[in-house]
Amino acid sequence: TQLLEQSPQFLSIQEGENLTVYCNSSSVFSSLQWYRQEPGEGPVLLVTVVTGGEVKKLKRLTFQFGDARKDSSLHITAAQPGDTGLYLCAGAQGAGGTSYGKLTFGQGTILTVHP
Amino acid sequence: DARVTQTPRHKVTEMGQEVTMRCQPILGHNTVFWYRQTMMQGLELLAYFRNRAPLDDSGMPKDRFSAEMPDATLATLKIQPSEPRDSAVYFCASGLVIGVLSNQPQHFGDGTRLSIL
Repeated sequence: TQLLEQSPQFLSIQEGENLTVYCNSSSVFSSLQWYRQEPGEGPVLLVTVVTGGEVKKLKRLTFQFGDARKDSSLHITAAQPGDTGLYLCAGAQGAGGTSYGKLTFGQGTILTVHP
Repeated sequence: DARVTQTPRHKVTEMGQEVTMRCQPILGHNTVFWYRQTMMQGLELLAYFRNRAPLDDSGMPKDRFSAEMPDATLATLKIQPSEPRDSAVYFCASGLVIGVLSNQPQHFGDGTRLSIL
């Protein structure tokens, strides 16, 4: 069974601060996705990283996939109250077998940004 | 924008009752997933289908849960009999898996919040 460990589980910061969320596994994933979930809604995809060492930027959010494709990080610069939510990482398994297309989700990081 | 639609949004019922949750995946998507989300366990995969065929339901308690796709526009998750420990938010997600591409996103509905008294 492939597991993804996310840390920290909770993060409470002031507006303007920077933060990093980590997602680690002992398994290799073919790609890794980051989702954001707001109360009362389902998770929404933020980004997919595919290549080891890949870095993607989405405005103030920077996503990195580890060289060995076992870990990933999400860095937010100058956090804003609108960034508040649950952030989930999810690893995709490779081609072949019935697990193809299946995602393994981390436990999530609950981020609260105070004005 | 196309969306995954789940009904009902909220369900409160007494233990022992049958619960049916419905999901309309995005038209054209060939893979449907059912998840359960709780504070303690996070997001757990219960079952998933490709082209309406069940591929994996190992995450689902077999004695009381069942998942089906009667047609391409409807997926159902049933609990019979329901128990208080089944209280959670149940999400349906759909996606399009093509060839060897494994990084396709999943599109989630807004969930069914289930409370079993």
